[in-house]
Amino acid sequence: DVKVTQSSRYLVKRTGEKVFLECVQDMDHENMFWYRQDPGLGLRLIYFSYDVKMKEKGDIPEGYSVSREKKERFSLILESASTNQTSMYLCASSTSSSTDTQYFGPGTRLTVL
Amino acid sequence: KDQVFQPSTVASSEGAVVEIFCNHSVSNAYNFFWYLHFPGCAPRLLVKGSKPSQQGRYNMTYERFSSSLLILQVREADAAVYYCACLISSGSARQLTFGSGTQLTVLP
Repeated sequence: DVKVTQSSRYLVKRTGEKVFLECVQDMDHENMFWYRQDPGLGLRLIYFSYDVKMKEKGDIPEGYSVSREKKERFSLILESASTNQTSMYLCASSTSSSTDTQYFGPGTRLTVL
Repeated sequence: KDQVFQPSTVASSEGAVVEIFCNHSVSNAYNFFWYLHFPGCAPRLLVKGSKPSQQGRYNMTYERFSSSLLILQVREADAAVYYCACLISSGSARQLTFGSGTQLTVLP
């Protein structure tokens, strides 16, 4: 079974703090994704990566950056957290085959005070 | 902007067949994906494809710009959020565009 793990289930940070959300997958997938989930807005893509050291902006990249130094790990960085970044963050991974099924982690609930 | 549309809520009685409809405005989409999401858990793929398909109690219909998820013999335990997504190709990468999710309520 594919396993996608996220470093924290719950995180509380203060405005202005630098925040790192870590995601690790164990299936040698080329593609990795970061989404945020908000009520009524569904899953919105923040950033994705299709190879080590490669990254692409998604629909809502403002206020975020990412890092992919190793194939299995994809980090989401909030340089200076703000209250409007309080959300559920979901990581996913997929192969580059035509089926493109994404496998998700359980999510990190981030609260910015 | 390419978008995927689905109802925000659907309610059903236990034992019925539930249909959740989805349509999109994505010009270069070619697959639909249906995910199930229970709070606190990882979203899980139910069914996918570019043609009608079935996985257990889950059926997916397919048209070029729309799809429905049908859940047979729905149970109270099926109450969750269901996401519809379309696969689009953007340059060298492919990505999913998700709808806003449909909360299914099952009445006993």
